[in-house]
Amino acid sequence: DAGITQSPRYKITETGRQVTLMCHQTWSHSYMFWYRQDLGHGLRLIYYSAAADITDKGEVPDGYVVSRSKTENFPLTLESATRSQTSVYFCASRGPGYNEQFFGPGTRLTVL
Amino acid sequence: AQRVTQPEKLLSVFKGAPVELKCNYSYSGSPELFWYVQYSRQRLQLLLRHISRESIKGFTADLNKGETSFHLKKPFAQEEDSAMYYCALSRLGGYNKLIFGAGTRLAVHP
Repeated sequence: DAGITQSPRYKITETGRQVTLMCHQTWSHSYMFWYRQDLGHGLRLIYYSAAADITDKGEVPDGYVVSRSKTENFPLTLESATRSQTSVYFCASRGPGYNEQFFGPGTRLTVL
Repeated sequence: AQRVTQPEKLLSVFKGAPVELKCNYSYSGSPELFWYVQYSRQRLQLLLRHISRESIKGFTADLNKGETSFHLKKPFAQEEDSAMYYCALSRLGGYNKLIFGAGTRLAVHP
């Protein structure tokens, strides 16, 4: 199925555990993004990537790690989850020369 | 500082009433402004962008550089317009970051 997908859709974990959220897109878009959505803050950019092996920090990168070994995948890892990282995480992608971002369905993460 | 402000968390109107969702921004440079919408249980999607000067689902938005605003308007609200609306900006002509406002929830009552 074409498009942008995220897995898992829901995740509950405990403080201190490592968690990886997956993002996969089938458009071969160059750019990919990770946002977190929190009440009162809207969406805030965590990390983005312009191409495979090229990543850069966004507005709220602390506590997160990303990698991009393949164009279609952009996993987000919480190395040691904290309660403040409880949020809904959205992945997005866009093609070059075009400003519209296409969003995944989101992953709701709860850190106990 | 680059910032998008949506002053209303919730806007509640009756069906057929006019709607205006406010968006103000601060940006040093030439911005491109967007409205994204998230319907219940659906993913975030682009509604419109100022550079296209289009009307989508009856919504329009005009960029007012003097007032640094990009308000979203619709003359007659429909129940299916109920959703979360986010205003966002980026640098004009190619960028890597979208800056979102906190969002406004529009509730249209029958």
